[in-house]
Amino acid sequence: AQSVSQHNHHVILSEAASLELGCNYSYGGTVNLFWYVQYPGQHLQLLLKYFSGDPLVKGIKGFEAEFIKSKFSFNLRKPSVQWSDTAEYFCAARGGNNRKLIWGLGTSLAVNP
Amino acid sequence: GAGVSQSPSNKVTEKGKDVELRCDPISGHTALYWYRQSLGQGLEFLIYFQGNSAPDKSGLPSDRFSAERTGGSVSTLTIQRTQQEDSAVYLCASSSILGMGETQYFGPGTRLLVL
Repeated sequence: AQSVSQHNHHVILSEAASLELGCNYSYGGTVNLFWYVQYPGQHLQLLLKYFSGDPLVKGIKGFEAEFIKSKFSFNLRKPSVQWSDTAEYFCAARGGNNRKLIWGLGTSLAVNP
Repeated sequence: GAGVSQSPSNKVTEKGKDVELRCDPISGHTALYWYRQSLGQGLEFLIYFQGNSAPDKSGLPSDRFSAERTGGSVSTLTIQRTQQEDSAVYLCASSSILGMGETQYFGPGTRLLVL
């Protein structure tokens, strides 16, 4: 079955620390990959997405993610986090002609000032 | 506003009652999705509408759940004879670009609590 796994459920960092959140998917063919973010009290927002082309994707607020096909991974990174990055982060994938997004369970990030 | 809107934002109901949740997609978006987010779990696909095509209902958990989309715009998700396990946040998303370039934009959700 198609699945998305996020390895870190809860992450606590200090401001200026580097961030990497893991995401692995199980699709074997063409895949679209997404990271969404949900700030406290707000709705899900698209952070970045990969459809094709350059495997290193730049998103909003200094986030980036790298698609590594051989590892079935799409890890999210930010070199220096801020307190305002405190949020829930969700990885999602869609394969082939499937319209449904398959979601990871999310990673809760807390950044201490 | 320009985003997806949902109403009500919160709903508390008693077990056995019916509830209706509403979604207004972004104007011009032809695709509309319903998801459910339960505590400690990821988003679960429920149903998908695309234009005038028959909806994909494959994610609906039981026949107590139904949804319709009138005029290709507003959608209503109905849960009949609610159960406590129906308590969750119900999210609606819409998109305009079909195929592999599609990006879904989400509303704020309706938080449903069944007592």
